[in-house]
Amino acid sequence: DQQVKQNSPSLSVQEGRISILNCDYTNSMFDYFLWYKKYPAEGPTFLISISSIKDKNEDGRFTVFLNKSAKHLSLHIVPSQPGDSAVYFCAASHGGSEDMRFGAGTRLTVKP
Amino acid sequence: EPEVTQTPSHQVTQMGQEVILRCVPISNHLYFYWYRQILGQKVEFLVSFYNNEISEKSEIFDDQFSVERPDGSNFTLKIRSTKLEDSAMYFCASSLGPRDRRPLFGSGTRLTVV
Repeated sequence: DQQVKQNSPSLSVQEGRISILNCDYTNSMFDYFLWYKKYPAEGPTFLISISSIKDKNEDGRFTVFLNKSAKHLSLHIVPSQPGDSAVYFCAASHGGSEDMRFGAGTRLTVKP
Repeated sequence: EPEVTQTPSHQVTQMGQEVILRCVPISNHLYFYWYRQILGQKVEFLVSFYNNEISEKSEIFDDQFSVERPDGSNFTLKIRSTKLEDSAMYFCASSLGPRDRRPLFGSGTRLTVV
């Protein structure tokens, strides 16, 4: 199932700089997108979401951008902090289905 | 802050045995979900549950799986006859309602079938 793809398995960033995590999707029916963060031995923690009627949603240090024509979304974290080090999952769903599809995740490491 | 709790955190079972994974969703949430993540693979949707019945299930959720809300607080996943390939992290999640499409996840149960 490749409907949601995170092509970078890992990303390393210096503390204070911007982290940009990318996600691509193939299903044009998707209309709601989410980012989750996951620490080892814990469940995914909801971070931020965006509806397809928007192209940007911001919450503190986290901003999600959606480019519908490119079927691409990105998560920007600025400034990055060592505590942000985790695996980040992109997920997508469409109205009428509760089946949320996840990407494979990107492991972010923020170096002090 | 309210959270989804799952027990046990780790379950080891013999192949062919039945297991029940337990979850207590957030108390005012109405939608409940099970997801699983096989080691090294993606998080996969199994089933959603609303109003005391399955509302949607994936192709993974075959006849060996069942879910139940036996009382007002618990939500369980039963695997009838476990197989080696059922070994995975199983995550329970819940969400407030149909307009809230942000499931909140528990910490998971690691199921190991030997």
